[in-house]
Amino acid sequence: EVQLQESGPGLVKPSQSLSLTCSVTGYSITSNYWGWIRKFPGNKMEWMGYISYSGSTSYNPSLKSRISITRDTSKNQFFLQLNSVTTEDTATYYCARWRGIPNYFDYWGQGVMVTVSS
Amino acid sequence: DIQMTQSPPSLSASLGDKVTITCQASQNINKYIAWYQQKPGKAPRLLIRYTSTLESGTPSRFSGSGSGRDYSFSISNVESEDIASYYCLQYVNLWTFGGGTKLELK
Repeated sequence: EVQLQESGPGLVKPSQSLSLTCSVTGYSITSNYWGWIRKFPGNKMEWMGYISYSGSTSYNPSLKSRISITRDTSKNQFFLQLNSVTTEDTATYYCARWRGIPNYFDYWGQGVMVTVSS
Repeated sequence: DIQMTQSPPSLSASLGDKVTITCQASQNINKYIAWYQQKPGKAPRLLIRYTSTLESGTPSRFSGSGSGRDYSFSISNVESEDIASYYCLQYVNLWTFGGGTKLELK
């Protein structure tokens, strides 16, 4: 069974970088697309970006200058870095697998809540 | 960008009721809509893709329909395990979620 688990700090200071890890079991990240989605207080959800089976990336244009998604295939993990965070980046962050053509999200992690506060 | 307007934001139902949630897209999404269930503290679960195709393991009391800009998701015979929030997602052009519907017991 495909399982994803996010990890990382729950509190980040404004202007710093947010870094999260998604650990995947039951499936290789060298297949499919893998990425990040976040849910803000109030329940609005936003896709952030993905990394493909080949390592190429695509990002939400609203985040393009601040976001980076990378991976470590030897550990079957992928990572999110979001720079210059503000309080508006406070959200629950989910990692997910993309599937299908066109792609949709099929497996998700439980999410990690990140608060941006001084 | 495609916007998804989901309604109602909350819904109260008795066990055994049928409930329906709607999502309207800001443009034709050619049936590329998925529906997710989320319980507090849990990962979202994909229930339906491409308007009406049930994922493996999705009970048959869940259904979806629609075309063009207008889509609906229904649960017939609501069970206690269905108490959760539900979200629609368009995936024809990037990805946009609806605002969610919280289903509660009456």
